[in-house]
Amino acid sequence: NAGVTQTPKFQVLKTGQSMTLQCAQDMNHNSMYWYRQDPGMGLRLIYYSASEGTTDKGEVPNGYNVSRLNKREFSLRLESAAPSQTSVYFCASSESNTGELFFGEGSRLTVL
Amino acid sequence: DQQVKQNSPSLSVQEGRISILNCDYTNSMFDYFLWYKKYPAEGPTFLISISSIKDKNEDGRFTVFLNKSAKHLSLHIVPSQPGDSAVYFCAARRYNQGGKLIFGQGTELSVKP
Repeated sequence: NAGVTQTPKFQVLKTGQSMTLQCAQDMNHNSMYWYRQDPGMGLRLIYYSASEGTTDKGEVPNGYNVSRLNKREFSLRLESAAPSQTSVYFCASSESNTGELFFGEGSRLTVL
Repeated sequence: DQQVKQNSPSLSVQEGRISILNCDYTNSMFDYFLWYKKYPAEGPTFLISISSIKDKNEDGRFTVFLNKSAKHLSLHIVPSQPGDSAVYFCAARRYNQGGKLIFGQGTELSVKP
């Protein structure tokens, strides 16, 4: 059972380049989330999808877009990367209305 | 504005002793609190949670205490084991907010043999 799978695990971008982080879960969860982790700041919610077909902004959505492709997949897109977006990105999923999140292994992104 | 704070970046404990990790919050609308554990190069994993209607929840070696009047919660690990060495994140959520969690900064626990 793979759980939550994120790709790529590592990526280096130049300022202004675009990229998409992919996430898939095989637990039939309704809700999916994208968090970023920065040193000294814990994890912060970027976007979430409460159910297939819906997405909404979290705490730090600026510079990002998301797509809930189907129940399994939730992608995060950086249209024009900035050095401030250097971070470790975590995708997570959960049953609706529970805070018990299942996280992927993370994607480390560096923007030069 | 840090709504959930873990003021100790690190903690070192001897194997077999008790580890106590602390967390403070400011938002009185939080009704559910969780602890996550994170090893290097892995995603966080859920450890234990507590609802605001309780003051204690226990799961094996792990106990979480909630003091609502002080807006403080703590995680006790007894006895501590070297495999418990990890970063521990406290998280909180408002009523009916699902997985929209507010995380603390994390505390790195080191359990020495």
